[in-house]
Amino acid sequence: KAGVTQTPRYLIKTRGQQVTLSCSPISGHRSVSWYQQTPGQGLQFLFEYFSETQRNKGNFPGRFSGRQFSNSRSEMNVSTLELGDSALYLCASSWRSGQIYGYTFGSGTRLTVV
Amino acid sequence: GENVEQHPSTLSVQEGDSAVIKCTYSDSASNYFPWYKQELGKGPQLIIDIRSNVGEKKDQRIAVTLNKTAKHFSLHITETQPEDSAVYFCAASNDNDMRFGAGTRLTVKP
Repeated sequence: KAGVTQTPRYLIKTRGQQVTLSCSPISGHRSVSWYQQTPGQGLQFLFEYFSETQRNKGNFPGRFSGRQFSNSRSEMNVSTLELGDSALYLCASSWRSGQIYGYTFGSGTRLTVV
Repeated sequence: GENVEQHPSTLSVQEGDSAVIKCTYSDSASNYFPWYKQELGKGPQLIIDIRSNVGEKKDQRIAVTLNKTAKHFSLHITETQPEDSAVYFCAASNDNDMRFGAGTRLTVKP
């Protein structure tokens, strides 16, 4: 069973540009969550998508947006990049077993803004 | 909403010693408590989990305990090895929300 696939693995962008990151969840998983992780920091929740609808949103500016497609693949977009956006962006594919709700993470996309 | 606190933020042990990381949660509806290990440059990987109807679970050198009354759970690593060095995250979830602790950087000195 394929895991969570995030592309690209590494990205270098210039301040002011925009970037799009992609996440393909595990087959059959309908929910995708995105997190930002800066050096030495924990997991900061960006947003969650379920069946093409944003279900939850973290406390990030409007420059951060996302969407989910009918095949459950998700993209997140960051516009007008700032140096502080340099981070590891993680996607988590969520699964459900009865009342249990769990996550499987991808390897992340390392974004560097110069 | 759920709040998960994790301690300590850094932990250094000698190879062969035990390591313990503790977490507390606030939402009494939380019913699933996974632990993730994140190695440098990689995404967090699930290493062990426990459900709310179980008090303890063990997998080789790793064990997790849960005290629902006190709302805390702990990760225990015995006979630590250098390859255990990583950042560990605890998490608590109810049926539609997952919250993470801030992480513990574990260093195992050879």
